[in-house]
Amino acid sequence: DVKVTQSSRYLVKRTGEKVFLECVQDMDHENMFWYRQDPGLGLRLIYFSYDVKMKEKGDIPEGYSVSREKKERFSLILESASTSQTSMYLCASSGGQGLQPQHFGDGTRLSIL
Amino acid sequence: LAKTTQPISMDSYEGQEVNITCSHNNIATNDYITWYQQFPSQGPRFIIQGYKTKVTNEVASLFIPADRKSSTLSLPRVSLSDTAVYYCLVGRNSGGYQKVTFGTGTKLQVIP
Repeated sequence: DVKVTQSSRYLVKRTGEKVFLECVQDMDHENMFWYRQDPGLGLRLIYFSYDVKMKEKGDIPEGYSVSREKKERFSLILESASTSQTSMYLCASSGGQGLQPQHFGDGTRLSIL
Repeated sequence: LAKTTQPISMDSYEGQEVNITCSHNNIATNDYITWYQQFPSQGPRFIIQGYKTKVTNEVASLFIPADRKSSTLSLPRVSLSDTAVYYCLVGRNSGGYQKVTFGTGTKLQVIP
């Protein structure tokens, strides 16, 4: 069964901390995505990557960065966490050149105190 | 970038057929339409994808009129377990980089 695995289901961090969210996919997919989901706002794209070491900004990249050193792993980094970044974070992947996400992880609920 | 509009919520009784419509007036020639289902505390799950006319799988049907400015997800004989949020997404499947954005989805409540 295909899988997108996010390293944590729940995470609590403090304001100003550097936070790493990890995502691994086992489908050899070229494309990987990071979304955040907030009530009333739906899913918003933060960043995506269409190849190793390649990245593109999504709709809300401010305050975030990403890293893709290996094809199967896509990391989201909050350089200096703020309370406004408290949210559900979802990772996804897709194969080929298609840029519609096919498989999602179950999300990381991040709380910044 | 094709913007999508869906109803915010819908209610349906168990056993009924449910149709959820998505408007995408500025869909591009090579855009596909994809629908996802999301349960609480889970990531979205791919349901169905189509380009034109009708697509059917074991879960749902997708109807796309000739002008492709809208699409309708049809769920036959819904059960309580179909209570979820349904998202419509429009974007191409090939040809390189394209940013695609989810709408806010339709919350379907199935009533016993």
